[in-house]
Amino acid sequence: DQQVKQNSPSLSVQEGRISILNCDYTNSMFDYFLWYKKYPAEGPTFLISISSIKDKNEDGRFTVFLNKSAKHLSLHIVPSQPGDSAVYFCAASGVWDSGAGSYQLTFGKGTKLSVIP
Amino acid sequence: DSGVTQTPKHLITATGQRVTLRCSPRSGDLSVYWYQQSLDQGLQFLIQYYNGEERAKGNILERFSAQQFPDLHSELNLSSLELGDSALYFCASGQGIHEQYFGPGTRLTVT
Repeated sequence: DQQVKQNSPSLSVQEGRISILNCDYTNSMFDYFLWYKKYPAEGPTFLISISSIKDKNEDGRFTVFLNKSAKHLSLHIVPSQPGDSAVYFCAASGVWDSGAGSYQLTFGKGTKLSVIP
Repeated sequence: DSGVTQTPKHLITATGQRVTLRCSPRSGDLSVYWYQQSLDQGLQFLIQYYNGEERAKGNILERFSAQQFPDLHSELNLSSLELGDSALYFCASGQGIHEQYFGPGTRLTVT
């Protein structure tokens, strides 16, 4: 049972336009959400995150929106650049036991973004 | 560069064998996480260590084990390897909060 879903395996966007990547989750225990970017032959790189007490977080060209009632989050990249072409993973985090530091990330399967010059 | 190092980068071995993957976390990070990424799967959480102690377990097979040493580096041991164990294995580290920083991964090929 996939608890974090990225329903679009791929997305193509023109350079300079907005890229919108979507993610849905099912587990109400998740209280923190993250986006990672991954280039081929490299590990995932942390991009931006949002706590469940917020509905928006912005960092430069990247903005993450959280809709808790819909259990949906999205990553907006404006303007999109060719260097943004990568696989983007949505991840959700929650504390699964009472021990301090007990966090684990549940990942979606990723969306491959291609930004066309 | 995330500051997390993993060795080896590539590993090719035969079925039934045992291998050890090594991870050095970022300076100051107490938590080490191991993830597996198979061909058609996203990243699957395997296990977490925090300051030397096992803290959380995910979908880790009984044939797999891990440990974190006093210097905070970690090793993931995979034994009785099967073809289906072929995957990318990532280590991540963090300071016991949500954000995790990933190493470049070890690509394991079981033949």
